Amino acid sequence: AQSVTQLGSHVSVSEGALVLLRCNYSSSVPPYLFWYVQYPNQGLQLLLKYTSAATLVKGINGFEAEFKKSETSFHLTKPSAHMSDAAEYFCAVSLSQGGSEKLVFGKGTKLTVNP
Amino acid sequence: DAEITQSPRHKITETGRQVTLACHQTWNHNNMFWYRQDLGHGLRLIHYSYGVQDTNKGEVSDGYSVSRSNTEDLPLTLESAASSQTSVYFCASGRYNEQFFGPGTRLTVL
Repeated sequence: AQSVTQLGSHVSVSEGALVLLRCNYSSSVPPYLFWYVQYPNQGLQLLLKYTSAATLVKGINGFEAEFKKSETSFHLTKPSAHMSDAAEYFCAVSLSQGGSEKLVFGKGTKLTVNP
Repeated sequence: DAEITQSPRHKITETGRQVTLACHQTWNHNNMFWYRQDLGHGLRLIHYSYGVQDTNKGEVSDGYSVSRSNTEDLPLTLESAASSQTSVYFCASGRYNEQFFGPGTRLTVL
């Protein structure tokens, strides 16, 4: 069964600093991988997704993630944090085979951006 | 524009009462999902549906039920509300493994 581990439930960065949110997955077959963002009192919004095309995936708001099969990782990065990036971020995995379209989510990482 | 809506947005109920949370999508997606979000647990899947008349249990389905009579709606029913079901509930719809989320319903069971 697939699973997701997000390292660090809270990450704090200064405005303008690099953002790095870590996600490791476990899957017996090639996965689809996703990053979602949740702003306070809102639903989840898709940031980016990996579906076996390019290993470096660019998303909205300047975020990107790199799929590394050898490390079973899909870390989310942004070169320069902005105050508006403060939110909770969720990594999710889904099987690319077998007809299952369920997502399994990590427990989330709350990003704080300090002025 | 297509969207997914949930109602009510906030609900307070008493232990033992039956509660139904509505979810309506205009994306025409076959797949619909219900999650609950609790601190320290992330999102956990309650029930899901891949089409009309199809329903399936997720990892935390005890005490919940769903029915799918049309493509647009997947109501979630708490048969006899318990304090442990106090949570924020999210509905999602999607296809090709991508899901679009509603704004959530905050449910408090007293």
